[in-house]
Amino acid sequence: AQSVTQPDIHITVSEGASLELRCNYSYGATPYLFWYVQSPGQGLQLLLKYFSGDTLVQGIKGFEAEFKRSQSSFNLRKPSVHWSDAAEYFCAVGAERNTGFQKLVFGTGTRLLVSP
Amino acid sequence: DSGVTQTPKHLITATGQRVTLRCSPRSGDLSVYWYQQSLDQGLQFLIQYYNGEERAKGNILERFSAQQFPDLHSELNLSSLELGDSALYFCASSLTFSSTDTQYFGPGTRLTVL
Repeated sequence: AQSVTQPDIHITVSEGASLELRCNYSYGATPYLFWYVQSPGQGLQLLLKYFSGDTLVQGIKGFEAEFKRSQSSFNLRKPSVHWSDAAEYFCAVGAERNTGFQKLVFGTGTRLLVSP
Repeated sequence: DSGVTQTPKHLITATGQRVTLRCSPRSGDLSVYWYQQSLDQGLQFLIQYYNGEERAKGNILERFSAQQFPDLHSELNLSSLELGDSALYFCASSLTFSSTDTQYFGPGTRLTVL
């Protein structure tokens, strides 16, 4: 079965420092991968997605992610974190595509705290 | 703002009651998805509709049902509510049901069952 693991429940980063959020997936074929962000009291906003092609994907708000098939990973990175980046981040895999629909299977999320 | 609207934002009710959550997809989107976010289960897919037809079911309880109307808005009905149904319920929409379509999420409805 498809699954996503986000090993870090909480991460604290100083403002201006770099960020890497880890995501590992389990999927039998080439995965469709997503990162979403959820700010307090808000819905989920798509940061970036990977379907195929270039394994380094650029997203909104200065985020990028790299797909590494050999490691079954899709880690999210940002070179310099801003206080407004404090939120919860969810990695997801698009599952059961062969049935003609896309069910998103989410990881448990990583809460990012940004210190001054 | 994703363009997906959900009402109400908050709902407080008692065990055994029935509630209806409403979702309006982005203009032009034909697919609607429902997800539940709870502390113990995380974010889980419940059900998907495409152009009025149910396309897929996930971890949706038999006490829960949904439908998509001709104007493409969707309602999620939760009945015989239990304390464990307290959660944030998200609706998402996408253009079609293609696996390459982006799902856009609404702000959610927070359900509290007392």
